[in-house]
Amino acid sequence: DVKVTQSSRYLVKRTGEKVFLECVQDMDHENMFWYRQDPGLGLRLIYFSYDVKMKEKGDIPEGYSVSREKKERFSLILESASTNQTSMYLCATNPTGWAEAFFGQGTRLTVV
Amino acid sequence: DQQVKQNSPSLSVQEGRISILNCDYTNSMFDYFLWYKKYPAEGPTFLISISSIKDKNEDGRFTVFLNKSAKHLSLHIVPSQPGDSAVYFCAASVRDDKIIFGKGTRLHILP
Repeated sequence: DVKVTQSSRYLVKRTGEKVFLECVQDMDHENMFWYRQDPGLGLRLIYFSYDVKMKEKGDIPEGYSVSREKKERFSLILESASTNQTSMYLCATNPTGWAEAFFGQGTRLTVV
Repeated sequence: DQQVKQNSPSLSVQEGRISILNCDYTNSMFDYFLWYKKYPAEGPTFLISISSIKDKNEDGRFTVFLNKSAKHLSLHIVPSQPGDSAVYFCAASVRDDKIIFGKGTRLHILP
């Protein structure tokens, strides 16, 4: 079974803090994704990565950055957290050539 | 501009009856379509998929139908069970590219 682990289930941060969300997968998949889920808006892609040190902007990259120094780890960084970044953040992964992606359990981030 | 549209935010179905969830897409380059199920406070789990070369795929109680000319797909669940109550996301991709999700449909199975 594919295991995608997100470092925290629940997180509360203050406005202006730098926030790191970590995602680790154990299946040697090339592709990794960060989505956020908001009521009425579905899943929106923030950033994705096809390989180590490679990154591509998704649909809503503003206010975020990512890091992929190792194949198994994809980090999402909120440079200066704001209240409109309060959301459920979901990491996903799949191997090249597959369409199905496997998701982590999600991180519920609240920015106060 | 939404490329994957789920126009029904919610749907209520009696237990034992058929649930039909609909999805429309605009990008004719999509060649793979997926349905995910999501419970609160959990990540989405893959349910069923269909390649653009097929028009139907079945897996137990779940069947996905694809109508390429109408750019429409649907998920049929029969019979519906209480554990099917969840948010269902339709998604589409061009293979080896990013996956685009719809906004989701919340399915309520009524006793």
